[in-house]
Order: sequence, then C-alpha cells, then structure tokens
Amino acid sequence: SAVISQKPSRDICQRGTSLTIQCQVDSQVTMMFWYRQQPGQSLTLIATANQGSEATYESGFVIDKFPISRPNLTFSTLTVSNMSPEDSSIYLCSVDSIPGQGGYGVNFGQGTRLTVV
Amino acid sequence: AQTVTQSQPEMSVQEAETVTLSCTYDTSENNYYLFWYKQPPSRQMILVIRQEAYKQQNATENRFSVNFQKAAKSFSLKISDSQLGDTAMYFCAFMKLNNNDMRFGAGTRLTVKP
Repeated sequence: SAVISQKPSRDICQRGTSLTIQCQVDSQVTMMFWYRQQPGQSLTLIATANQGSEATYESGFVIDKFPISRPNLTFSTLTVSNMSPEDSSIYLCSVDSIPGQGGYGVNFGQGTRLTVV
Repeated sequence: AQTVTQSQPEMSVQEAETVTLSCTYDTSENNYYLFWYKQPPSRQMILVIRQEAYKQQNATENRFSVNFQKAAKSFSLKISDSQLGDTAMYFCAFMKLNNNDMRFGAGTRLTVKP
C-alpha cells in the first residue's frame, strides 16, 4: 500500500494565522482526501483533492477557510486559514489504497495535530 | 445519506479473551464496502479489516473477524485472543462503490487489561 508522509506532525498556532499541511505519497494515486478529527470525535471528510481542478468540498466546509492544492498525483496541501481555537483538531490526509482505482478503501497519513491558541 | 452507528463508546476486555465491537449502518445502496479502522494513541489510522457487501463470506484477518449481516445492516468486529497492543479507538466506516469518501462511526474506545 502507499506510504503517506504528512507534515508537520503537530503545531501550535496563534489565532488569526494560517497553517499549510503537506501530504506526500510515494506513488501516484487517483484520489486524495482531507479529514478533520476534532478532539474526542470521529473523522469528518473536509474535501476531495482533485488533480488539476478545484477540490470538492463537503457540506460545512468552504474553500476560503480550507484552500486545497493538488498539483500532481503524489502531493496535496491543506491550508487552515484565519484560525480560531475551534480549528484545533487532528487533520488527516488519505489516499485510495489501489493506485489508479477507486472504491476499495483508503490509507491514512499519520495526521497533523493542530492547536490554536 | 449514509450513517454509521457505533453504540458502544467504551469497551474493555481481559488479555487473551474475546471481544465484539458493534456497528450498524444505514444505506439504500446495494453494493458498498465496510471497514474497521484502529487508531492507537499515535493517532495513525490503521486498516484492520474490510468487507465487500457483495461477498457473503465474512472477512477474517488473523485474530480479527467480522460478522456481516447485510439484511440487518450490521457489521460487528470480533477480536480473539486480545493483546495489550489492541488498546485503541476502533472506527467502523462505510464507503459506497466507486466513491472513496468514507463515513465513519463515532468510535469505540477499547481497553485491553492485563
């Protein structure tokens, strides 16, 4: 399965600032996703990162707050903009488990623990 | 919309014993995938086991097995010979065919006691 490297692993940020999280995969993958896991909660899909086009956002998430880039088939970034304490969460990158195919499950990066103070 | 329900927020089991975690889901789809993920304190999401809805045979992976009841929309995870390293949050997840966004349950915190 694909190896996913996510950076940074954790950060403490001031409110009002922005943080960009990077996700690097060791092989080309069709689908990349960004999830948020709020403290003590389950995972919620933020958006699907599409290569060569705008990301597809889930209800409750908007591009101005969570801009996403996907310049190629192995890399994506998620920016958390104008942060507030409510953005304190774990952010996880994931990719489909079979490169070039969909619909069979995903593998996750190790996550970025963000604390906004 | 698909929903996934895990009704057990916390469970505990003695080392070497067997424990079953419950999961139910709601969908109008006929073909889909179901998963169990483990999240230890390191927060890494680790795929434990997966089941294709079109397969009647229950999936097994070493000490982990599922009881998939499609009509009842139930997907429980059985962990046999529990080990201390099994202590983690366990999430049940649903995914439609050819649509990789996964829907997760709220999770069950499992503690294996020595």
